[in-house]
Amino acid sequence: EPEVTQTPSHQVTQMGQEVILRCVPISNHLYFYWYRQILGQKVEFLVSFYNNEISEKSEIFDDQFSVERPDGSNFTLKIRSTKLEDSAMYFCASISGTSGQFFGPGTRLTVL
Amino acid sequence: AQKVTQAQTEISVVEKEDVTLDCVYETRDTTYYLFWYKQPPSGELVFLIRRNSFDEQNEISGRYSWNFQKSTSSFNFTITASQVVDSAVYFCALWHGSSNTGKLIFGQGTTLQVKP
Repeated sequence: EPEVTQTPSHQVTQMGQEVILRCVPISNHLYFYWYRQILGQKVEFLVSFYNNEISEKSEIFDDQFSVERPDGSNFTLKIRSTKLEDSAMYFCASISGTSGQFFGPGTRLTVL
Repeated sequence: AQKVTQAQTEISVVEKEDVTLDCVYETRDTTYYLFWYKQPPSGELVFLIRRNSFDEQNEISGRYSWNFQKSTSSFNFTITASQVVDSAVYFCALWHGSSNTGKLIFGQGTTLQVKP
């Protein structure tokens, strides 16, 4: 069964460093998402992406964040200068129709 | 405004007990979708069910069942004869937006602990 994959599974970085989180959505899906879950809290929408541009972004998704689909398969989330409060689990998701969002396994980002 | 409320923060049961997880939602959309996800200790989000607003039939899948009541804006989830492997955080979520664009709005989650 096709699945969304994410790398790395765990990323540790120093405050102020740039990180890139990578995702490979399901191949025939066209809509891609990033969500964030701070430890012990609910899952929050960050951004949606379609046709090589952002469809919607939340208040959390400020100028420090960017997304890109550099090739036909990868979908990346970049955080330019990480802060302590960026420590969270980041989930990538993709959909096709309303069958439900398929989530990747997540990348745990730890900012020291 | 769209909102999902899971009033139960934590529930603890003994194995083989039945347990119901509550979910109440708010939306102005006439067509919408509701979801349940399971998040085991390993952290991934596991899709359990999707229900659209036009289908109020209850659904049963093995030990899992869902009760969708549009009149009370609730979409409750019952696990029958709970098992230790059911221990996880369960999230109810509302799809807000059109069929392909939009986003999931999650509740705070309910942590279920099933003791042997």
